[in-house]
Amino acid sequence: AQSVTQLDSQVPVFEEAPVELRCNYSSSVSVYLFWYVQYPNQGLQLLLKYLSGSTLVKGINGFEAEFNKSQTSFHLRKPSVHISDTAEYFCAVSDYGSQGNLIFGKGTKLSVKP
Amino acid sequence: DAGVIQSPRHEVTEMGQEVTLRCKPISGHNSLFWYRQTMMRGLELLIYFNNNVPIDDSGMPEDRFSAKMPNASFSTLKIQPSEPRDSAVYFCASSLTGQFTEAFFGQGTRLTVV
Repeated sequence: AQSVTQLDSQVPVFEEAPVELRCNYSSSVSVYLFWYVQYPNQGLQLLLKYLSGSTLVKGINGFEAEFNKSQTSFHLRKPSVHISDTAEYFCAVSDYGSQGNLIFGKGTKLSVKP
Repeated sequence: DAGVIQSPRHEVTEMGQEVTLRCKPISGHNSLFWYRQTMMRGLELLIYFNNNVPIDDSGMPEDRFSAKMPNASFSTLKIQPSEPRDSAVYFCASSLTGQFTEAFFGQGTRLTVV
């Protein structure tokens, strides 16, 4: 069965500092990988996705993630964060045959301080 | 397109009452998902439909929960009878299977059972 582990439940960081949110997945088959962001009292919005091809994926708001098959990881990075990046971030996995069924991690709350 | 539309946005009900949550997926999408989000358990997939047919309902907590999709543009999630532990945010999402991109989420329904 697939599972997603987000190693940090909370990440505090100062504005303009770099950040990395970690995600590891467990799957015996080829997968699609996603990062979603949830702002307070809102639904989830896609940040970026890996389907195939280049392992470095760029998304919205300056975020990027790197797929590492050998380490089964898909860590999210941003070189310089803003106050507006304060939100909860979810990593998700879906296998090729699942018809879009996403399995989510527990989420990481990113708090950007001035 | 207006995106995935859920109603109501907030619901407060007494224990034992029936609750019905509604979802209108994005037009043309053929997969629909119901998720529940709580602090303790994070985002959990309850059930998903493909072409209006339930594919996997293994996430439905118990028989008090039921979901229907009578047509491609409407789905309901019903809880009868409701209990305080059902309090959560319930999200509906839709996607286009076969040309898999990502799931688009609604704003969610915040359910409080007192």
